[in-house]
Amino acid sequence: AQSVAQPEDQVNVAEGNPLTVKCTYSVSGNPYLFWYVQYPNRGLQFLLKYITGDNLVKGSYGFEAEFNKSQTSFHLKKPSALVSDSALYFCAVREGNTGGFKTIFGAGTRLFVKA
Amino acid sequence: KAGVTQTPRYLIKTRGQQVTLSCSPISGHRSVSWYQQTPGQGLQFLFEYFSETQRNKGNFPGRFSGRQFSNSRSEMNVSTLELGDSALYLCASSLGSSTYEQYFGPGTRLTVT
Repeated sequence: AQSVAQPEDQVNVAEGNPLTVKCTYSVSGNPYLFWYVQYPNRGLQFLLKYITGDNLVKGSYGFEAEFNKSQTSFHLKKPSALVSDSALYFCAVREGNTGGFKTIFGAGTRLFVKA
Repeated sequence: KAGVTQTPRYLIKTRGQQVTLSCSPISGHRSVSWYQQTPGQGLQFLFEYFSETQRNKGNFPGRFSGRQFSNSRSEMNVSTLELGDSALYLCASSLGSSTYEQYFGPGTRLTVT
């Protein structure tokens, strides 16, 4: 079965500093990887995805993620954090076949950006 | 385009009752998935519908069921509610296959007393 791990429950970073939110995955085939963000009392918002191609994926709000096949990682990064980036971040893998798909989410990492 | 909408946003029910939650996907999206979010278990997949057919189901008891209509709108039903069913229920829509991202609604907060 496919799985996703987010080893950090919480990440603290100062505004203006670079941030990294870690994610590792376990899949049996080609990984379809996603990052979502959840702001308080709201649903999840799509940030970016890796399907194939370039290992560095760029997404919304200045976020990017690096796919590393040998380390089975898909870390989320941003060069300069903003206070407004404070939220709950989920890494996810999509699994299934033409008969149906489901998304497996990591436990989530809460990001705090301090002014 | 309008986003994914879910109704109602908040619901309070008593143990043993049943509840129906509704989800309207983004226009043109044929895939609708449901998730349960709780502080202890995180985000758990309930089921996915595509063109009115349930294609995949998570590890939830039979009390949890759903359906999708011809206009892609979806409902999920929970019968014989238990205290542990208290959660945020999220609906997500996408164009289809595994490579497409999902767009989530704001959720329905269900409280079972």
